[in-house]
Amino acid sequence: DVKVTQSSRYLVKRTGEKVFLECVQDMDHENMFWYRQDPGLGLRLIYFSYDVKMKEKGDIPEGYSVSREKKERFSLILESASTNQTSMYLCASSFRGTSTDTQYFGPGTRLTVL
Amino acid sequence: KNQVEQSPQSLIILEGKNCTLQCNYTVSPFSNLRWYKQDTGRGPVSLTIMTFSENTKSNGRYTATLDADTKQSSLHITASQLSDSASYICVVVNMDSNYQLIWGAGTKLIIKP
Repeated sequence: DVKVTQSSRYLVKRTGEKVFLECVQDMDHENMFWYRQDPGLGLRLIYFSYDVKMKEKGDIPEGYSVSREKKERFSLILESASTNQTSMYLCASSFRGTSTDTQYFGPGTRLTVL
Repeated sequence: KNQVEQSPQSLIILEGKNCTLQCNYTVSPFSNLRWYKQDTGRGPVSLTIMTFSENTKSNGRYTATLDADTKQSSLHITASQLSDSASYICVVVNMDSNYQLIWGAGTKLIIKP
């Protein structure tokens, strides 16, 4: 079974803090994704990566950066957290870039910025 | 504009009953359509993937249908169980834009005993 793990289930940070969210997958997937999920909205793609050290902006990259130094690990960084970044953050991975690849999700990190 | 609309927003049914969730989309060009189940506090889990040529696909008690002409899909749940309580999300993949996934907001389904 594919396993995608995220470093924290719940996180509380203060405005202006630097926040690191980590995601690890154990199935040698090439693609990894970071989404945020807010009530009443569909998942919104922040960044994705299709290879080590490669990254692409998604729909809402502002205020975020990412790092992929190893194939299995994809980090999301909030350089200076703000209250409007309070959200559920979901990491996903998929095997390759075909159109029907399933994305496998981690359990999510619920981030609260005070 | 590429959009995915789901209805109803929420639904409460009694255990053992059937239900149908709806998904309408305006995504073009279309590649495939997926249904995900998301339990509270968990990440989404894939239920089905349907391409243009498929108009029905089953996964246990879940049956998805696709009408690519009218750009509509439905997810039918048969003989509901308490464990079916979850959000069900419709996702349409855009063939352009590097196979971008367009996510619906989901239908929250509650099964009452």
